[in-house]
Amino acid sequence: KNEVEQSPQNLTAQEGEFITINCSYSVGISALHWLQQHPGGGIVSLFMLSSGKKKHGRLIATINIQEKHSSLHITASHPRDSAVYICAVYGGATNKLIFGTGTLLAVQP
Amino acid sequence: DTEVTQTPKHLVMGMTNKKSLKCEQHMGHRAMYWYKQKAKKPPELMFVYSYEKLSINESVPSRFSPECPNSSLLNLHLHALQPEDSALYLCASSRLAGGVYEQYFGPGTRLTVT
Repeated sequence: KNEVEQSPQNLTAQEGEFITINCSYSVGISALHWLQQHPGGGIVSLFMLSSGKKKHGRLIATINIQEKHSSLHITASHPRDSAVYICAVYGGATNKLIFGTGTLLAVQP
Repeated sequence: DTEVTQTPKHLVMGMTNKKSLKCEQHMGHRAMYWYKQKAKKPPELMFVYSYEKLSINESVPSRFSPECPNSSLLNLHLHALQPEDSALYLCASSRLAGGVYEQYFGPGTRLTVT
């Protein structure tokens, strides 16, 4: 079992829909990253958080440390949001980044 | 400037070639990382440099040789690679290593070994 699990693995949405991607982890963590990767492209950091909630534009990230769970929400989704969204945690014995397997999001016009 | 740059964007090399990947950041970060990413998989950590010294080598084969000539620059020297080494190579940097510091990633170099 992976230390960082994401769901769903694949998600197709219509433009304008509200989207939620979930991340659960089994290790103790110091912080959690949400990352975005467009096909064939590099990785962009969206958020790093260790408690509570952060908002940037149409993106909202929340984390519940007790439940070892984080969510990434996208409001008013747009085709340009189509990408792989990766949850990664600073955790485990070495405090290195541990990556989830990603969620492939396709937003259709 | 929150940018990490990587060159080249694409590289095709034969198994007997020697080539280098380059990564640069001007954010004053003292930790730099190399990751390897195969298609549809998450990145895998290869090396970590802290204050220009190699601090982590994740048992990477010696045909990959990292170098950090100064605090802004990170190279990855490639020699006698195998076709299975074809992947996206990502560089990242953070303010410091070993703690909770946001990592900034470059756009990657797409490497094909023929």
